[in-house]
Amino acid sequence: KNEVEQSPQNLTAQEGEFITINCSYSVGISALHWLQQHPGGGIVSLFMLSSGKKKHGRLIATINIQEKHSSLHITASHPRDSAVYICAVYDFSGAGSYQLTFGKGTKLSVIP
Amino acid sequence: KAGVTQTPRYLIKTRGQQVTLSCSPISGHRSVSWYQQTPGQGLQFLFEYFSETQRNKGNFPGRFSGRQFSNSRSEMNVSTLELGDSALYLCASSLAVPLYNEQFFGPGTRLTVL
Repeated sequence: KNEVEQSPQNLTAQEGEFITINCSYSVGISALHWLQQHPGGGIVSLFMLSSGKKKHGRLIATINIQEKHSSLHITASHPRDSAVYICAVYDFSGAGSYQLTFGKGTKLSVIP
Repeated sequence: KAGVTQTPRYLIKTRGQQVTLSCSPISGHRSVSWYQQTPGQGLQFLFEYFSETQRNKGNFPGRFSGRQFSNSRSEMNVSTLELGDSALYLCASSLAVPLYNEQFFGPGTRLTVL
């Protein structure tokens, strides 16, 4: 079973700050997703990664397969970025079969 | 394009009862996954259905079951409800296997077991 650790658990930032959220896992994986959950409960998929780096607007996600670690960066943070960020790791074992484990989430609050 | 819809949005049941939740995926999406979210355990994977077949399953007891219909709509059922089943139940749909395809989440069904 994959152990997924996210840090920090809670993060408070001033508007405009650069933010980093980390996700580490114990067993090699096939893919990692970053999810965003707003206070109302709705979840949005931000990134799907299996290697390297992806960028979308002010959000950047990286993954280091050898170190079993992924980071989500938010540049020029804004109050609307306040949400819980969750990483999800997929361990694909073939023939469409996989194990899926979630991190506990990082609660981000961005203060104006 | 309509998003993922879940019904009902809120549900109150008592211990021992059973419940059925429904999920309608985005048109054209063939994969539907179900998740349970609680304050203590966070998000947990229940199961995934693809073309009417359960393809993957999380670590939940047999009281939790599901099915998918030919139009890709899915239902999940929980029998013999326990207090610990109180949770937000989310479904998500994707074109194909969720590892490499973006998932679109529904608003969830909040189940309270008394």
